[in-house]
Amino acid sequence: NAGVTQTPKFQVLKTGQSMTLQCAQDMNHEYMSWYRQDPGMGLRLIHYSVGAGITDQGEVPNGYNVSRSTTEDFPLRLLSAAPSQTSVYFCASSQKPGQGAYSPLHFGNGTRLTVT
Amino acid sequence: AQSVTQLGSHVSVSEGALVLLRCNYSSSVPPYLFWYVQYPNQGLQLLLKYTSAATLVKGINGFEAEFKKSETSFHLTKPSAHMSDAAEYFCAVTRNTGNQFYFGTGTSLTVIP
Repeated sequence: NAGVTQTPKFQVLKTGQSMTLQCAQDMNHEYMSWYRQDPGMGLRLIHYSVGAGITDQGEVPNGYNVSRSTTEDFPLRLLSAAPSQTSVYFCASSQKPGQGAYSPLHFGNGTRLTVT
Repeated sequence: AQSVTQLGSHVSVSEGALVLLRCNYSSSVPPYLFWYVQYPNQGLQLLLKYTSAATLVKGINGFEAEFKKSETSFHLTKPSAHMSDAAEYFCAVTRNTGNQFYFGTGTSLTVIP
């Protein structure tokens, strides 16, 4: 059982470039989300989705786009990379939205992004 | 808005000593609380969760946490630290709508042999 799979593991971009971070889960989870992890700041929610075709913004959405065309996939797009987006990005999913207490998050292993 | 505060960004304990990692929450409604562990270069794994069924919650690897409403706390403990416990630990909170989880800033645990 693969769980949550993120690709790539590492990426270096130049300022202004665009790219897509991939996230796929094989657990039939309805809820998927993207976090960024920065030293001393914990994890901050970028965007989340409660099902195919439904997305919403989290705490730090600026500079990022998402879409959810299938239950399995939830890609995160950086439209024009900036050095401030240098971070480790985690995708996480859970079985049911609206049942956070009984449906904890399952995390991927992260993508380490550097923007120069 | 909900939040969690983790006191102490770095904690060092000797092998075999008590581990105590602190988490306080701020919530206007009864929260649901979690502890996650992150080993180097990995994602976060669930250690334990509080869902109001019992105030003392037991998790994996010998960890437990006690929910204290009067102190708005959910501290993580383990009676005897093992070298393999060295990792970063995150406290998180959500409500039953469950659409947003809020994480603390993390506590890095070092275990000294």
